[in-house]
Amino acid sequence: DTAVSQTPKYLVTQMGNDKSIKCEQNLGHDTMYWYKQDSKKFLKIMFSYNNKELIINETVPNRFSPKSPDKAHLNLHINSLELGDSAVYFCASSLQGQGALRETQYFGPGTRLLVL
Amino acid sequence: AQTVTQSQPEMSVQEAETVTLSCTYDTSESDYYLFWYKQPPSRQMILVIRQEAYKQQNATENRFSVNFQKAAKSFSLKISDSQLGDAAMYFCAYFSGGGADGLTFGKGTHLIIQP
Repeated sequence: DTAVSQTPKYLVTQMGNDKSIKCEQNLGHDTMYWYKQDSKKFLKIMFSYNNKELIINETVPNRFSPKSPDKAHLNLHINSLELGDSAVYFCASSLQGQGALRETQYFGPGTRLLVL
Repeated sequence: AQTVTQSQPEMSVQEAETVTLSCTYDTSESDYYLFWYKQPPSRQMILVIRQEAYKQQNATENRFSVNFQKAAKSFSLKISDSQLGDAAMYFCAYFSGGGADGLTFGKGTHLIIQP
C-alpha cells in the first residue's frame, strides 16, 4: 500500500525533449508538492498545489508545469529539457490544517532524471 | 524568507553511542512546524520526528528526540543508541503551515555509523 507513488523511478532522455513524471497519493490529502534535489542533495520546493491555488517558486523556469487531473494526482511536465534539469524530483503530499500531524508532508520515492 | 542552517556537513558516531545533529533557522513567524527527515541511500525521504512551535515540550520518538529552543531558533536532533541503520543524510526542515509554501530544508548532515 504505497502512500505516495511516482513513475517512473528513472528517466534518461535527450536535451530538448519533453517529459512527464506522474505522482499519485492515496492518503486523502488535499495538498501536493514537487521538490527538486540537486547533485549536492539540496532540496528545494518547486510547486505546491491544492484545489484552490497553485503556488510556484519564482526560481522555477516556466518550462516546468504541474498538472492535476484530480485531487490524488499531481503530474510534472517538463518541456525542452536542459542538462541542468538533471536531478531527483520528489512528489509529496499533506493535509492542511492545525497541528503537525496534519501538516506533515509524506514523500514519494523520487524520480531520478538524467538529461544527456 | 525563512532559512534553515545545518552547520555539520558530516558527523560520525560509534554504534550504540549518542549523537546530536544541529539545526538553526530564521523566521519572523511565531507559529510554525519543524521536522527532521532521514534519507538513506535508497533516497526515500522518511519522517523522523516533528515539532509544533507552540508546544514547549520536546518531541520524542523512540531513540530520537529533539531539543527545541524557540527563542534561540534551534532544533537539534539527538539519536540515542545509534544503530547501523541510522546511517543516512538527515535534513532539518521548516514549514510555516496553513498555507502551501512547502518545506524549507537545510543542506543536510551525512551521518556515518562506525561499527
